[in-house]
Amino acid sequence: RKEVEQDPGPFNVPEGATVAFNCTYSNSASQSFFWYRQDCRKEPKLLMSVYSSGNEDGRFTAQLNRASQYISLLIRDSKLSDSATYLCVVGDYSSASKIIFGSGTRLSIRP
Amino acid sequence: GAGVSQSPSNKVTEKGKDVELRCDPISGHTALYWYRQSLGQGLEFLIYFQGNSAPDKSGLPSDRFSAERTGGSVSTLTIQRTQQEDSAVYLCASSLRSSGSETQYFGPGTRLLVL
Repeated sequence: RKEVEQDPGPFNVPEGATVAFNCTYSNSASQSFFWYRQDCRKEPKLLMSVYSSGNEDGRFTAQLNRASQYISLLIRDSKLSDSATYLCVVGDYSSASKIIFGSGTRLSIRP
Repeated sequence: GAGVSQSPSNKVTEKGKDVELRCDPISGHTALYWYRQSLGQGLEFLIYFQGNSAPDKSGLPSDRFSAERTGGSVSTLTIQRTQQEDSAVYLCASSLRSSGSETQYFGPGTRLLVL
């Protein structure tokens, strides 16, 4: 089982739709969680951190479910510019080498 | 200030040759990371530095790979006797500290093609 698993997609949704993806992690001791965004042939960039109580940033909402060991990302009112690959990242405070990147979920927004 | 920079942006080399990839982190960031990303794949952790030391080298794929960091700043990743399977994008990132809770800032990557 991979340490961090994501549905690779692609998710192909119309502009304005709401889309959600999940990411599961295997290490129950994981303590830090992030979503990064990677555009085609570009480097990953932090989209948002994921906090225990869940957090929202504009159209983006991230949730953490420790019991089931998954994090989710919800995008409301999707825009064409949201088309990218979304990487789930799980870490451990004790060591930077324990930061694990998922393989990403590809999202394509159509007009 | 400037972000993470990497050079060269693209490198084409012949099988068996050595290559050296450079990463210049954000000023003041003590932690520096190297990853490899093959086409359509996720990021594969290679190594990280806290200051000039590398606490965990277990991600390096083979002994042909080595990395160093000097002056707590620039890092070089060296691949000796390159093989075709080394072809990938090599990404460098830096963060303020090396705990697993820090945001990583990535450079644009070096695209390596081994013929």
